[in-house]
Amino acid sequence: DQQVKQNSPSLSVQEGRISILNCDYTNSMFDYFLWYKKYPAEGPTFLISISSIKDKNEDGRFTVFLNKSAKHLSLHIVPSQPGDSAVYFCAADSGGGADGLTFGKGTHLIIQP
Amino acid sequence: DAGITQSPRHKVTETGTPVTLRCHQTENHRYMYWYRQDPGHGLRLIHYSYGVKDTDKGEVSDGYSVSRSKTEDFLLTLESATSSQTSVYFCAISESRVRNSGNTIYFGEGSWLTVV
Repeated sequence: DQQVKQNSPSLSVQEGRISILNCDYTNSMFDYFLWYKKYPAEGPTFLISISSIKDKNEDGRFTVFLNKSAKHLSLHIVPSQPGDSAVYFCAADSGGGADGLTFGKGTHLIIQP
Repeated sequence: DAGITQSPRHKVTETGTPVTLRCHQTENHRYMYWYRQDPGHGLRLIHYSYGVKDTDKGEVSDGYSVSRSKTEDFLLTLESATSSQTSVYFCAISESRVRNSGNTIYFGEGSWLTVV
């Protein structure tokens, strides 16, 4: 059973507009959430994270929002740039152990000129 | 960039042959991981290590074994490769395990394995 879900396999956004990527989770033990960005033929790179004690974290053009009651988080990219075209993975951590992160299947973001 | 080196980066092998992928880190991080990435499945954990000689299974461990004899090296072995193990394999490392402060893991560049 998938514990982290990214229901949109792909998303197309015009350059300069806002990109919103969504992620849902089912495990209430998750207490830390991350977004990774992946270009073809490269490893995923860490983008931004948020702890469950917060509801928003911002880093430049990237903002992550967390709604714990809905078990939902979203990544906002404003303004979207051509270099943002990549696959974005949502990930979650339950802490307290060493067993890595649980990832969603990814959303392919395409920024149209 | 995190100091993670994976080798080989690309390999083609025949069904039934053993294959070992190597991950080497220069960050002295305690935790190391092997993930595989497949279309429609995202990133799935194969095995992980929480210290020298301390390893455990992940979500998709069948057909794989690992070893960690030194802090800096984490080996992934396919005992008898099958076509279903054709994938991209990513090694990852992390340092912190404090609750609510996050377990940010950092990935290597990947090893592309094709089993024919």
